[in-house]
Amino acid sequence: NAGVTQTPKFRVLKTGQSMTLLCAQDMNHEYMYWYRQDPGMGLRLIHYSVGEGTTAKGEVPDGYNVSRLKKQNFLLGLESAAPSQTSVYFCASSSPGTSGPQTYNEQFFGPGTRLTVL
Amino acid sequence: SQQGEEDPQALSIQEGENATMNCSYKTSINNLQWYRQNSGRGLVHLILIRSNEREKHSGRLRVTLDTSKKSSSLLITASRAADTASYFCATATTGGFKTIFGAGTRLFVKA
Repeated sequence: NAGVTQTPKFRVLKTGQSMTLLCAQDMNHEYMYWYRQDPGMGLRLIHYSVGEGTTAKGEVPDGYNVSRLKKQNFLLGLESAAPSQTSVYFCASSSPGTSGPQTYNEQFFGPGTRLTVL
Repeated sequence: SQQGEEDPQALSIQEGENATMNCSYKTSINNLQWYRQNSGRGLVHLILIRSNEREKHSGRLRVTLDTSKKSSSLLITASRAADTASYFCATATTGGFKTIFGAGTRLFVKA
């Protein structure tokens, strides 16, 4: 099993350009997440998905869009990149928890994508 | 605002010593998780403790949870140089999917 993979690993964009980050997982997990990590801070949730065809906003969703057309893939899009979006982006997945509705088990993370917006 | 806040921000110890990291949070939680991140890598899950549990062990790791004080601690016993990493606590709030991560504790274990 490859676990959670992310492409690309590195990317440099100019302000205003667009791009899509791809996340794939082979663990048949229902839930998938996109985070960003900035220096000195923990991870902040951008968007998440609780199943194929469904997405929801996280803590910092502005400037990003997502799609979950297939269960194993979760795409993060930047329509018009800004320098404030320079960050390391992590994708994660998890399975539903067993302690009631809206619970989930531990998250498995991808290796990250380092994005620089000039 | 961040739900989980780790303390200390940085910790430097000698190999063989124990390392203790603390996490405080603000709202009711469903579970609390600890993750490790090696430099330039993704996070790796270490241990999950549910809100109705008080202590959990996994190898050299011991996690405690005090819901009355809204705090948790991670103890790494007999530390090794390979334990050098950043450690994050993450809280899963009751009734939601959002996991809130703290800013992390940077642990440096000297050989």
